[in-house]
Amino acid sequence: KQEVTQIPAALSVPEGENLVLNCSFTDSAIYNLQWFRQDPGKGLTSLLLIQSSQREQTSGRLNASLDKSSGRSTLYIAASQPGDSATYLCAVKDSGGSNYKLTFGKGTLLTVNP
Amino acid sequence: ETGVTQSPTHLIKTRGQQVTLRCSSQSGHNTVSWYQQALGQGPQFIFQYYREEENGRGNFPPRFSGLQFPNYSSELNVNALELDDSALYLCASSSGTGAWETQYFGPGTRLLVL
Repeated sequence: KQEVTQIPAALSVPEGENLVLNCSFTDSAIYNLQWFRQDPGKGLTSLLLIQSSQREQTSGRLNASLDKSSGRSTLYIAASQPGDSATYLCAVKDSGGSNYKLTFGKGTLLTVNP
Repeated sequence: ETGVTQSPTHLIKTRGQQVTLRCSSQSGHNTVSWYQQALGQGPQFIFQYYREEENGRGNFPPRFSGLQFPNYSSELNVNALELDDSALYLCASSSGTGAWETQYFGPGTRLLVL
């Protein structure tokens, strides 16, 4: 059974700092890994999707890497801003029989202080 | 803006009642997935419908049921509500199933069971 863990559970940083969020998964047989952002009480906004054959994806100040063999992904946020404050979730799609669903971690609550 | 809408946005019910949540998918998306997100947790997969048939189910009891309609709308029905059913319910639509489908999430319905 796939399990996704995110560390740290919460992170508070001053504005302008570069930061890294971590995600690990137990079963490396995945199709892809996706990072989402969730504002309080809201739905999910997809940030980056990395296919299993890729090593990283970049969008603006965000860079996500994937090491499938070790079951790890990182989300790097450069020059953080108060508007980046949100919960960041990672999710994997298995390549086995349950390839119809996403398995999520519990998220990292990020606070960027002005 | 994903084009996926959900109604209602908030709902309060009492234990033992029944509830129906609605989702309108993006035009052309023939797959809808439902997730339950308890407070402080990551979303948990409930089930997926593809072309109006259940395509996969998570670890939820039969009192959680769904329907998908030809007009890209869908419903999540929960019978005999329990206090632990209080959560944010998210639907996600996609075109197709499997490895290459990307799920687009709606804003969610917040359900409180008293």
